[in-house]
Amino acid sequence: DGGITQSPKYLFRKEGQNVTLSCEQNLNHDAMYWYRQDPGQGLRLIYYSQIVNDFQKGDIAEGYSVSREKKESFPLTVTSAQKNPTAFYLCASTPRAVSSYNEQFFGPGTRLTVL
Amino acid sequence: KNEVEQSPQNLTAQEGEFITINCSYSVGISALHWLQQHPGGGIVSLFMLSSGKKKHGRLIATINIQEKHSSLHITASHPRDSAVYICAVRSGGGADGLTFGKGTHLIIQP
Repeated sequence: DGGITQSPKYLFRKEGQNVTLSCEQNLNHDAMYWYRQDPGQGLRLIYYSQIVNDFQKGDIAEGYSVSREKKESFPLTVTSAQKNPTAFYLCASTPRAVSSYNEQFFGPGTRLTVL
Repeated sequence: KNEVEQSPQNLTAQEGEFITINCSYSVGISALHWLQQHPGGGIVSLFMLSSGKKKHGRLIATINIQEKHSSLHITASHPRDSAVYICAVRSGGGADGLTFGKGTHLIIQP
């Protein structure tokens, strides 16, 4: 079955540690996205990538880093510089990079708790 | 930057009622999405539209580009419709991400 997988579903880390969230898609989609969701707020864009080896900052990129070495993979690293890392993180993808009319497909999300 | 407002924030209704969720945005868009998020957190896309009206089963989505407003309707609501419904817009062309509303938390009681 085609889709987006994120692992793990729940992740706990100590304050000051970097942590990497996995996102893999087998949909052959060009563009991939990372969003953050906090209680009572809409999803906010962290980073996105239109093609392999290229990515752009979203609205809240500070304290995060990404890579796009393969089309199907877009891991997100939450660094110790991120002030409030506890949140629900969603990965998404769209079929075509250069199109405004693109359905977004979402992964199941990773809930990160920093203790 | 586009501002997306949804109303109501919370809605509790009885099974069988007709449900309307509203979304307004501040800047012209290329596409508007309606999404459904279940308690586990997973999000599914319900509709993507840039004009007019779309229908899928008991769900209907409409958009008025001139008024910068969209509505999501649920007919003959059922407890399984209980979820958070999210409106999201893309303001321009290209693959930049969506701007999301805060969501409407819908509870349908049997």
